[in-house]
Amino acid sequence: DAKTTQPTSMDCAEGRAANLPCNHSTISGNEYVYWYRQIHSQGPQYIIHGLKNNETNEMASLIITEDRKSSTLILPHATLRDTAVYYCIAEYNNNDMRFGAGTRLTVKP
Amino acid sequence: DAGVIQSPRHEVTEMGQEVTLRCKPISGHDYLFWYRQTMMRGLELLIYFNNNVPIDDSGMPEDRFSAKMPNASFSTLKIQPSEPRDSAVYFCASRPQGHEQYFGPGTRLTVT
Repeated sequence: DAKTTQPTSMDCAEGRAANLPCNHSTISGNEYVYWYRQIHSQGPQYIIHGLKNNETNEMASLIITEDRKSSTLILPHATLRDTAVYYCIAEYNNNDMRFGAGTRLTVKP
Repeated sequence: DAGVIQSPRHEVTEMGQEVTLRCKPISGHDYLFWYRQTMMRGLELLIYFNNNVPIDDSGMPEDRFSAKMPNASFSTLKIQPSEPRDSAVYFCASRPQGHEQYFGPGTRLTVT
């Protein structure tokens, strides 16, 4: 599995877009980029995934660079409830998921 | 659907005792996963099943840990004997064919 690198923490103002970066420079061609988040004391929650193309769903958008070495998760209008640890994972079959330390996002009023 | 159900939510036991954690996956999901989360090591995959068959147990720390899935709607993770270093939050997750894993609320285990 490709190793991913994320900033330890980030802040975002409520109502603004939160842009969470992830580096995965060793990602292989068949590995997807997955994003999960974990709100305090709860189980992780799936957000979105992508292979090559940008993806959008009701929760977020995922922008993957053309060389696939990095990606950005975008929460378009962050709310206080989006405060959580966000995990970026590169994995080819969604079975052997290696959750790193993630990015602790704090949304401030 | 009620989501992934885990029991108990909290367990406190003494060192040397047997501990059994239970999980009911979402109906229709083919895969079931057991994870452990600690401050020191983060979230680690212990074992996963596909159609009730263990596929990869390389994350199981040692022989004191065992997991079973006797049918599609039930799995157990057993620790015997338990040790203080086993204290952690244990998560069960399931997923259908596809990409999203659905996690349960976790069981917080404290071994004194």
